Amino acid sequence: DTAVSQTPKYLVTQMGNDKSIKCEQNLGHDTMYWYKQDSKKFLKIMFSYNNKELIINETVPNRFSPKSPDKAHLNLHINSLELGDSAVYFCASSQEEGASYGYTFGSGTRLTVV
Amino acid sequence: GEDVEQSPFLSVREGDSSVINCTYTDSSSTYLYWYKQEPGAGLQLLTYIFSNMDMKQDQRLTVLLNKKDKHLSLRIADTQTGDSAIYFCAEKLDNYGQNFVFGPGTRLSVLP
Repeated sequence: DTAVSQTPKYLVTQMGNDKSIKCEQNLGHDTMYWYKQDSKKFLKIMFSYNNKELIINETVPNRFSPKSPDKAHLNLHINSLELGDSAVYFCASSQEEGASYGYTFGSGTRLTVV
Repeated sequence: GEDVEQSPFLSVREGDSSVINCTYTDSSSTYLYWYKQEPGAGLQLLTYIFSNMDMKQDQRLTVLLNKKDKHLSLRIADTQTGDSAIYFCAEKLDNYGQNFVFGPGTRLSVLP
């Protein structure tokens, strides 16, 4: 009965590779997000999708491209990976965009670029 | 910068009350949250409190907020073995942005 699930949990890859992280939510939420966590537990929003439409696209390199095939899925594709992309990435969902009281997060994907 | 701190561990006996504490630094936080993470699972939102509230009760959960001291606590009444998990305190940094700061988590162990 996982609410927000993301795969893989761990991803180790070489610089220059292209990789994807998948996210699925079974809560019936309309909005999904991708966050990047820095070392101080700060989750910074990268993208927000509402019903398959891009709502928020923060200052993120073009190498990062989200794709939402339906409102229950939001995948993150990263081209030409760089060392600085190493981080934990969290997927989240909420019933409404920007709803302050209803975010549910996945368990995170730890990406290591070597 | 923003920071959220929690004690790393808490052990209680089944049936007792658990109190998990959290301190935060950003006085402009509008919403504060408690999340629960069970092994292998994501972060499940347990409850939240708006910054102009002092207390919120939701069944076995009571959240207390002391805005002056920037202290947030989560009390779980009649703690059960199913409550064993890691509990994260989090703050949303402003009303219009969507960035969060999470604490490091408190691992709650419930002993039979």
